[in-house]
Amino acid sequence: GAGVSQTPSNKVTEKGKYVELRCDPISGHTALYWYRQSLGQGPEFLIYFQGTGAADDSGLPNDRFFAVRPEGSVSTLKIQRTERGDSAVYLCASSLGQGEAFFGQGTRLTVV
Amino acid sequence: AQSVAQPEDQVNVAEGNPLTVKCTYSVSGNPYLFWYVQYPNRGLQFLLKYITGDNLVKGSYGFEAEFNKSQTSFHLKKPSALVSDSALYFCAVRDGITSGTYKYIFGTGTRLKVLA
Repeated sequence: GAGVSQTPSNKVTEKGKYVELRCDPISGHTALYWYRQSLGQGPEFLIYFQGTGAADDSGLPNDRFFAVRPEGSVSTLKIQRTERGDSAVYLCASSLGQGEAFFGQGTRLTVV
Repeated sequence: AQSVAQPEDQVNVAEGNPLTVKCTYSVSGNPYLFWYVQYPNRGLQFLLKYITGDNLVKGSYGFEAEFNKSQTSFHLKKPSALVSDSALYFCAVRDGITSGTYKYIFGTGTRLKVLA
């Protein structure tokens, strides 16, 4: 399809492990966003890419979180030394210009 | 800093009645405003946006929203609610003109329940 694709859809990991979450944006969209959503809450901003560079990473909670977008398309969100508090749905979105962002289905991360 | 407030955690309305889901915002420049809907275990779906122009904007599934600059509001409305409209609704604001960042800030969400 032509939408934003996120893999995996579900990820269960043990506390302390490293995880990578992948986002494949809509083709041609220059802006890419990562959000985190806890149950019953609104999406919380993590990081925003314009092209290959992180234009705003002010939402990353600490240095265990890192994201890359090396070729200006696919992005990977990386979480080191996972903690139970990292459990949430991680949403990726992409947009073109000043308009709306289109969201993927999310990756549900569970840290046990 | 930009922010969005959705004062109601839940809104209940009878099927066939008009519905309103409230949203107020705060930005330093001109606001770009959006409404999204989220069904259980799904991502966010775009409903409508206000960038510029007419204060009343129309979107998907019969929804509309009215931009009110003096009240800094962007309430979501629908003339006749359907049971299938029951979902979680999020208002979002974006201000890239003065802040230099184009991130979207979301409200806490309002759960709409349409009763048959």
